[in-house]
Amino acid sequence: GQQVMQIPQYQHVQEGEDFTTYCNSSTTLSNIQWYKQRPGGHPVFLIQLVKSGEVKKQKRLTFQFGEAKKNSSLHITATQTTDVGTYFCAGQRTDKLIFGTGTRLQVFP
Amino acid sequence: GAVVSQHPSWVICKSGTSVKIECRSLDFQATTMFWYRQFPKQSLMLMATSNEGSKATYEQGVEKDKFLINHASLTLSTLTVTSAHPEDSSFYICSAKQGAGSYSNQPQHFGDGTRLSIL
Repeated sequence: GQQVMQIPQYQHVQEGEDFTTYCNSSTTLSNIQWYKQRPGGHPVFLIQLVKSGEVKKQKRLTFQFGEAKKNSSLHITATQTTDVGTYFCAGQRTDKLIFGTGTRLQVFP
Repeated sequence: GAVVSQHPSWVICKSGTSVKIECRSLDFQATTMFWYRQFPKQSLMLMATSNEGSKATYEQGVEKDKFLINHASLTLSTLTVTSAHPEDSSFYICSAKQGAGSYSNQPQHFGDGTRLSIL
């Protein structure tokens, strides 16, 4: 079964509000990747975190990898309507990429 | 760079038909490609790992005789859904990874996906 969980499952925010999704793995990961999938589209790679405690920023997006390399978070500051979509974390264990359950973000103007 | 092309984009066919989906890495060589299935409003579930020149590795619960995978070259993997039934209707997505070996830390690049509808 699914071993990478994400919360929340859904999030509705007003444009301008912040948003955070959390990702938790039952086992240690060699790296964690984040993807964004728009409705009807395919997953698009956002970023990869490799080091314990690593923090990376992409404009309004901040990604963090936990010290134990089992959890991660994605924070979006001041959401925009273009941020709408489902955000998946994906943890790599050996040769496999295990996708999280995803968080669907809806942004109201 | 790192473009993965997947064809067809969508297929509608009758129950019992076999459907072949192609996944190509256009500007890099991929010794390993991955096939995922995604049901509506759900996550991507890994079906199998496709290895160039050898047999695919299937995930638990995936029927290898139903989902035939062929990875005959470094830029092409195919997934054939044999004798498809309505329950096989789903979004099938392939991905490929740059770098040497499937254990590399390179990110996966996804194709656009194939929407399969079996009537």
